[in-house]
Amino acid sequence: DGGITQSPKYLFRKEGQNVTLSCEQNLNHDAMYWYRQDPGQGLRLIYYSQIVNDFQKGDIAEGYSVSREKKESFPLTVTSAQKNPTAFYLCASSPPGGGAYNEQFFGPGTRLTVL
Amino acid sequence: KQEVTQIPAALSVPEGENLVLNCSFTDSAIYNLQWFRQDPGKGLTSLLLIQSSQREQTSGRLNASLDKSSGRSTLYIAASQPGDSATYLCAVSGSARQLTFGSGTQLTVLP
Repeated sequence: DGGITQSPKYLFRKEGQNVTLSCEQNLNHDAMYWYRQDPGQGLRLIYYSQIVNDFQKGDIAEGYSVSREKKESFPLTVTSAQKNPTAFYLCASSPPGGGAYNEQFFGPGTRLTVL
Repeated sequence: KQEVTQIPAALSVPEGENLVLNCSFTDSAIYNLQWFRQDPGKGLTSLLLIQSSQREQTSGRLNASLDKSSGRSTLYIAASQPGDSATYLCAVSGSARQLTFGSGTQLTVLP
């Protein structure tokens, strides 16, 4: 059963703590993405990776870090430097080819709340 | 920098009505445009993808159009049903395969 999984579904963090959100895909997609969604707003790109061991910053990368050691996995760490981390985090992936044919597929999301 | 705007922010219609959601973008140099559906607390479901060379795409009761030169897209929903109630997001793909999203239109279809 192919798809994108994110865990956990809900995550609570105390101020000053780092937390890591998991994203796994078994679609054999090359590219993976992390987005943040705040209430009533669209998605904003945090980081993306087009190939293993390579990733680039998106529009709001400050306070976040990622790694891409395996094609299937693209974990996101929310560090203590992120001043307002409470949000809904969405992971996506897209198949090889890019350009006009690039279609992104999304996971179910992780809701992070800072206590 | 690409900006995507969706109007209206919220829409409420009676069941059975045909409706149009609007999306506009500022930079016409796009690779494609995607329409997504998002249910509360859930991820995004891709509805339609229109390549930059295409004018429209259809899937069931949904029809999406693209006018690149004017920076506009519309999503037409025919014979709306209560199950269509959700937030609809449009996004445009630029260089490096990044998506820029609008803020969405929250649709409520009343039985």
